[in-house]
Amino acid sequence: GAGVSQSPSNKVTEKGKDVELRCDPISGHTALYWYRQSLGQGLEFLIYFQGNSAPDKSGLPSDRFSAERTGGSVSTLTIQRTQQEDSAVYLCASSLGQGAFQKYFGPGTRLTVT
Amino acid sequence: QQPVQSPQAVILREGEDAVINCSSSKALYSVHWYRQKHGEAPVFLMILLKGGEQKGHDKISASFNEKKQQSSLYLTASQLSYSGTYFCGTEAGNTPLVFGKGTRLSVIA
Repeated sequence: GAGVSQSPSNKVTEKGKDVELRCDPISGHTALYWYRQSLGQGLEFLIYFQGNSAPDKSGLPSDRFSAERTGGSVSTLTIQRTQQEDSAVYLCASSLGQGAFQKYFGPGTRLTVT
Repeated sequence: QQPVQSPQAVILREGEDAVINCSSSKALYSVHWYRQKHGEAPVFLMILLKGGEQKGHDKISASFNEKKQQSSLYLTASQLSYSGTYFCGTEAGNTPLVFGKGTRLSVIA
């Protein structure tokens, strides 16, 4: 079956513009996670969804970041008024549920803010 | 709270062994291990649940000591294909999976 897909694979934007990053999880996976990985750095947790609700938004770095998930499937991460420090690879992962379930990662979206 | 991994980096010759450690200040429910090769997404290795579990995956195994809130990943007889960055992730209660900063492993011929 298909894995987690993300689009676009690469995005170059000018400082101050808004961007939307999309994640299509594996069908049937109720849990969905967003992580950010800056160059040579670790995996920074951003937000987690169980179904359509986001019980944990603690990792969002500022109010410029928001995310939603509709129909318990596709998720969109939106960054408003992008800054250069937002440049990173944004990774999405999904799993059968929260807890001790294997997380399946997508290929990521590389965001470059110029 | 982010788990702490050590060492930050290690270089091995083919056939050598390595241990990567992961510790947390919180009581853990589970520990996850992933490997990420350059330019690729992280790939799942194994999950360990509380209860002093040990698991194996070919020549890669791990242990989880819930009392000490620590996990260790053991790589034996390393191969070139083992090169990459290894991440441990921890879950405590209802908190989602949080990763450490990673351990960069380089295996050379």
